[in-house]
Amino acid sequence: SQQGEEDPQALSIQEGENATMNCSYKTSINNLQWYRQNSGRGLVHLILIRSNEREKHSGRLRVTLDTSKKSSSLLITASRAADTASYFCATALSSNTGKLIFGQGTTLQVKP
Amino acid sequence: DADVTQTPRNRITKTGKRIMLECSQTKGHDRMYWYRQDPGLGLRLIYYSFDVKDINKGEISDGYSVSRQAQAKFSLSLESAIPNQTALYFCATSDYMNTEAFFGQGTRLTVV
Repeated sequence: SQQGEEDPQALSIQEGENATMNCSYKTSINNLQWYRQNSGRGLVHLILIRSNEREKHSGRLRVTLDTSKKSSSLLITASRAADTASYFCATALSSNTGKLIFGQGTTLQVKP
Repeated sequence: DADVTQTPRNRITKTGKRIMLECSQTKGHDRMYWYRQDPGLGLRLIYYSFDVKDINKGEISDGYSVSRQAQAKFSLSLESAIPNQTALYFCATSDYMNTEAFFGQGTRLTVV
């Protein structure tokens, strides 16, 4: 089964609203990363949060990590139509096996 | 030029044929990955490699093989393609610190 599971699977909002996506994982991690994928294209890295960090910001993105609950959230503030994409969380395991394991993704639609 | 280049970008092949997907990277990273993406299932890890002498199976390696010809090159082979291997395949690379992964644009493979 997947290391990471994301919720919701799909999200539709109006431009200007905030979008929140959640990721849960099963085993201890070294870091957790969020990626964006435009339809059928390659994934692009958004932000990385290490296991000893609780919150990180990058522009309109805010990521939180709760290692006690094995969960993370990605908040996109003041969303734009151009934010329409799929968003994936990925975990780098603390055992440093080299694996980067992805969740199933959240598909975000931002309506103009 | 792209950091990670995959060839071909699209391929249609017949059941039973052998096919190779190629990947090269210019990041100078040691770690390389092959993922498969199916709708609703996110990205699943097929194989990963720490360096030219290190190859590891991922979650779904059956029916696939890989070759790490050089630090910059990592190819994926389907020895005898079957229709349920129809998917979008991604190659990625990251450094030994498990920081962000850089993805290729993907190869859309259809097995008929």
